[in-house]
Amino acid sequence: QVQLQESGPGLVKPSDTLSLTCAVSDYSISSTNWWGWIRQPPGKGLEWIGYIYYSGNTYYNPSLKSRVTMSVDTSKNQFSLKLSSVTAVDTAVYFCARRATTSSCFDDWGQGTLVTVSA
Amino acid sequence: SYVLSQPPSVSVAPGQTARITCGGNNIGSKTVHWYQQKPGQAPVLVVYDDSDRPSGIPERFSGSNSGNTATLTITRVEGGDEADYCCQVWDSTSGQYVFGTGTKVTVL
Repeated sequence: QVQLQESGPGLVKPSDTLSLTCAVSDYSISSTNWWGWIRQPPGKGLEWIGYIYYSGNTYYNPSLKSRVTMSVDTSKNQFSLKLSSVTAVDTAVYFCARRATTSSCFDDWGQGTLVTVSA
Repeated sequence: SYVLSQPPSVSVAPGQTARITCGGNNIGSKTVHWYQQKPGQAPVLVVYDDSDRPSGIPERFSGSNSGNTATLTITRVEGGDEADYCCQVWDSTSGQYVFGTGTKVTVL
């Protein structure tokens, strides 16, 4: 059973860059899966941010594309998210998740980490 | 962009059937997935590809999709089913994964 674990600062200042990492265990990140980031503002619904393949290919939500960068480190079996120029609206619980191999669903998720944007 | 609409809340008595709808323009032409999310926890996939269940998900959970509405049905509802439920599709037109607004299921 794959395990995903997010890590990173819980507080980021406005205009700074949010940086998170997702460590994947009990499963190779080099398998035929895309690895994604999804966020959920407090009391609101889920929003897909984007995902990355082990080769480094990425695909981002068009509404966030200008501020998002994702990367993968196969040697550490982890992938990362950077979101630049954050504001209060970027305050959310950030989840990393695995997209299923043969379906467009996300079949395994990390527990999520709350990132608050505040001075 | 593509919008998925869900009722904010559904209430159901234990042992009865809960039906949660997910409305979208011609959603029947898309593949729908459903997630269960309890407070403070990550979403859990309960139905994928319209009507398939991941291993470990009870047969009480089922899905259907036709026309402009997809439906998640929970039969013989239990207290442990109390949670938020959210639908999701891949919208090729806008090039993004879209999640529904979410429905809170309350077990009376």
